[in-house]
Amino acid sequence: SQKIEQNSEALNIQEGKTATLTCNYTNYSPAYLQWYRQDPGRGPVFLLLIRENEKEKRKERLKVTFDTTLKQSLFHITASQPADSATYLCALLSNSGYALNFGKGTSLLVTP
Amino acid sequence: DGGITQSPKYLFRKEGQNVTLSCEQNLNHDAMYWYRQDPGQGLRLIYYSQIVNDFQKGDIAEGYSVSREKKESFPLTVTSAQKNPTAFYLCASSSRVLSNYGYTFGSGTRLTVV
Repeated sequence: SQKIEQNSEALNIQEGKTATLTCNYTNYSPAYLQWYRQDPGRGPVFLLLIRENEKEKRKERLKVTFDTTLKQSLFHITASQPADSATYLCALLSNSGYALNFGKGTSLLVTP
Repeated sequence: DGGITQSPKYLFRKEGQNVTLSCEQNLNHDAMYWYRQDPGQGLRLIYYSQIVNDFQKGDIAEGYSVSREKKESFPLTVTSAQKNPTAFYLCASSSRVLSNYGYTFGSGTRLTVV
C-alpha cells in the first residue's frame, strides 16, 4: 500500500538554527511532491512544490530536496524563528492521479 | 480577495442527524476536495470533484455525500450512517492543471457529536 512517513515526534530547535524535516514514501511514482504548513485549528497552507526532475528548490528561508532514488524529501528552514513553529505536511499525488495524499506531519517548535 | 470559505466554523450534531458543511470558493478552480483530520491520523480524503456535476469517492467516503452543482460550491453532508463523525473537516480547491500553487484550503469546520 502507499505510505507517506514523517517523523511523528516533535522537533524542538533553538531560534537561528536550521530545522530539517524528513518525508519518506513508498509505492509512489511521484511527478512532484508538495510541502504545506498547518497552524493549530487552521487549514494547511501551501509552501512549495518540487518536481521529480528538480533536485532542490528554494523559497526565501526554505529549501526542499527531492531524491526519487531514496524516495525521500528533506525540508529545511534556515535561520529559524519562533514564528516558524507549526506542523509541516508533505503530500504526494495518489495513484488515481486526481487528489493528494498527505503525511501525518511533523510538529516543529522553535524556542527563543 | 480570492479564497475558499467554509461554514460554520463549529458544528454540533445530535445522534441520528444529517448535517451539511458548506464550502465556497471564488478562485475559479475546477477541482475541489473534502478531507477529514483526526488527531494523529493526518488528512484523509473523503470525496473529490474535478468538474461540475461530477465527483468521486475518496478513501473514507462511507457515511458522507456531496454535490457539485456549481463550480464555486462543494457541500459535504455527514449522514447518520457515519458512525464516528467527530473530526475537523477541511475543504480545498485547485486548478486542474498541475501548477506551482498547490491546494488552497479553507479554515475548516470542527464537527462534534453531542
